[in-house]
Amino acid sequence: NAGVTQTPKFRILKIGQSMTLQCTQDMNHNYMYWYRQDPGMGLKLIYYSVGAGITDKGEVPNGYNVSRSTTEDFPLRLELAAPSQTSVYFCASSTQGRDEKLFFGSGTQLSVL
Amino acid sequence: AQTVTQSQPEMSVQEAETVTLSCTYDTSESNYYLFWYKQPPSRQMILVIRQEAYKQQNATENRFSVNFQKAAKSFSLKISDSQLGDTAMYFCAFFGGTSGSRLTFGEGTQLTVNP
Repeated sequence: NAGVTQTPKFRILKIGQSMTLQCTQDMNHNYMYWYRQDPGMGLKLIYYSVGAGITDKGEVPNGYNVSRSTTEDFPLRLELAAPSQTSVYFCASSTQGRDEKLFFGSGTQLSVL
Repeated sequence: AQTVTQSQPEMSVQEAETVTLSCTYDTSESNYYLFWYKQPPSRQMILVIRQEAYKQQNATENRFSVNFQKAAKSFSLKISDSQLGDTAMYFCAFFGGTSGSRLTFGEGTQLTVNP
């Protein structure tokens, strides 16, 4: 029973490097989300998707890109990493029904040095 | 846009006692959902309790209960018989209305349960 799986769990990048955070869910959820959590702060939405082929910006999309080619996968791309992108990144999914419950991955700790 | 405010950055409580965490929100919508999430040191986000705005009855889950005051836009979490395992960051979250398809989170309250 995997739920939402994020990889990698930890990563250190140098300024200007690029990387992709992977997220996959096996619950056939239509809705998927990427949040970032800065130290001591709440979660802020980066991007979300309401289904395959459909994505939209959240509160803090600058410096990131996403794609949703399948229901299961929702990768987050960082281009030209900056120290301000040092954060913990969470992927989540939901059915978007009346019982709106988000299922979270275990997070990715990213440091940009 | 909806906003969620948690005015208590940190709180502490003695084991077995009761503690209340505060949350207020701002919305013009009439139908929405409110949540409390717990984030222990393991970093995992765990749903604690959920309240639907159209229900007047306050939600309860074992030792966790809420005081939902719709007119005041207040949604506090009460933890009874606090346990050491309750030590965590607690986030209040709002879903619905013009926030579209995503949760809006508060800044969190760090709760420490002391033995």
